[in-house]
Amino acid sequence: GQQVMQIPQYQHVQEGEDFTTYCNSSTTLSNIQWYKQRPGGHPVFLIQLVKSGEVKKQKRLTFQFGEAKKNSSLHITATQTTDVGTYFCAGGRGGSNYKLTFGKGTLLTVNP
Amino acid sequence: DGGITQSPKYLFRKEGQNVTLSCEQNLNHDAMYWYRQDPGQGLRLIYYSQIVNDFQKGDIAEGYSVSREKKESFPLTVTSAQKNPTAFYLCASKQNRAAPGGYTFGSGTRLTVV
Repeated sequence: GQQVMQIPQYQHVQEGEDFTTYCNSSTTLSNIQWYKQRPGGHPVFLIQLVKSGEVKKQKRLTFQFGEAKKNSSLHITATQTTDVGTYFCAGGRGGSNYKLTFGKGTLLTVNP
Repeated sequence: DGGITQSPKYLFRKEGQNVTLSCEQNLNHDAMYWYRQDPGQGLRLIYYSQIVNDFQKGDIAEGYSVSREKKESFPLTVTSAQKNPTAFYLCASKQNRAAPGGYTFGSGTRLTVV
């Protein structure tokens, strides 16, 4: 079955440093989504990428979808303590995203 | 405000008992999903439903059952056949299969077997 691998599993940074998490799929994806889960909370949808090579920005967050549509990354510039949480990628196949496969997530902690 | 309500927030179950987790949404979404989350793990799909009175098994459906009698409601029953039920259970919804965008999640139910 489809697998979505996410690295690193954990990342600890000093406030102000940059952070990147990477997502790789064993199969070509139709789209990829990113979610953030604060400690003790539930996942919150951040963004969806659909096109090959697509890049989207949300303030300090930059999301990329690979040319082959098998990998993606999330980059945070100048982390803040409010960025703390687990970031999940989720890949959809077959032209629909009604059934996503989630990566195991990257837990980001930020030292003030 | 529209959203998804999961109850209870915490649930304790004795071994051998069935328990039902509630999930209600007022977003008028067609699609609803149940995921299980274990520490350090991603979300694994248990069951999903695209429309009322229809649902499909996900990747880890054994030991679970669901119903979708109303559009707003998608309860999950954890049966005694589920060997390791202690986990964080998340319900989610989406407008429909073809709509762009992501899932809306409820705040979850933390189930512990005692």
